[in-house]
Amino acid sequence: GAVVSQHPSRVICKSGTSVKIECRSLDFQATTMFWYRQFPKQSLMLMATSNEGSKATYEQGVEKDKFLINHASLTLSTLTVTSAHPEDSSFYICSASSTWGTEAFFGQGTRLTVV
Amino acid sequence: DAKTTQPPSMDCAEGRAANLPCNHSTISGNEYVYWYRQIHSQGPQYIIHGLKNNETNEMASLIITEDRKSSTLILPHATLRDTAVYYCIVPDGSSNTGKLIFGQGTTLQVKP
Repeated sequence: GAVVSQHPSRVICKSGTSVKIECRSLDFQATTMFWYRQFPKQSLMLMATSNEGSKATYEQGVEKDKFLINHASLTLSTLTVTSAHPEDSSFYICSASSTWGTEAFFGQGTRLTVV
Repeated sequence: DAKTTQPPSMDCAEGRAANLPCNHSTISGNEYVYWYRQIHSQGPQYIIHGLKNNETNEMASLIITEDRKSSTLILPHATLRDTAVYYCIVPDGSSNTGKLIFGQGTTLQVKP
């Protein structure tokens, strides 16, 4: 299957700082990418849909000014957690769907810990 | 997305077939059934998807009932590495772009 790479896999940051997470489709062009968040023992929760060259669409309850999404190319989307707080500590996962298929492929996830 | 219902957990003996059921009684005619799995602390992995015909790939088989209201994912010879949470998802047919809404899934424990 297609490969989606996420970086970093783990990050620890101090409260009040910002953290950027990258999501890359390595062997296909992704017109649409998705960002999810997963808390311990819970399922994945969709945060936003990222479309190349346009503004992201956020799910209800997700603060767009706190979770900045940029999808500047067909192979890269970034999620920036701004002014991070301990409650933002979570497992963040991206996925991408190609122009030729409908199944989504997921990155390996980023474990964010805010101290 | 059409609602899906899965049992919260299942056990399976190593080497035996694992049959994971999913109910999706409100599925529309143009909506696919997708299966993903998530091994602990990893991103979900695509397994298989289908519309009305049974499907098989190197990972699993997908059996969809004739009325399409339910389906079964079959792992023919389960191994310990198949222990994971399995998600059955029916995306909104009007926006088949890869957007997935995850339920709680079925935690499959493969035992030696």
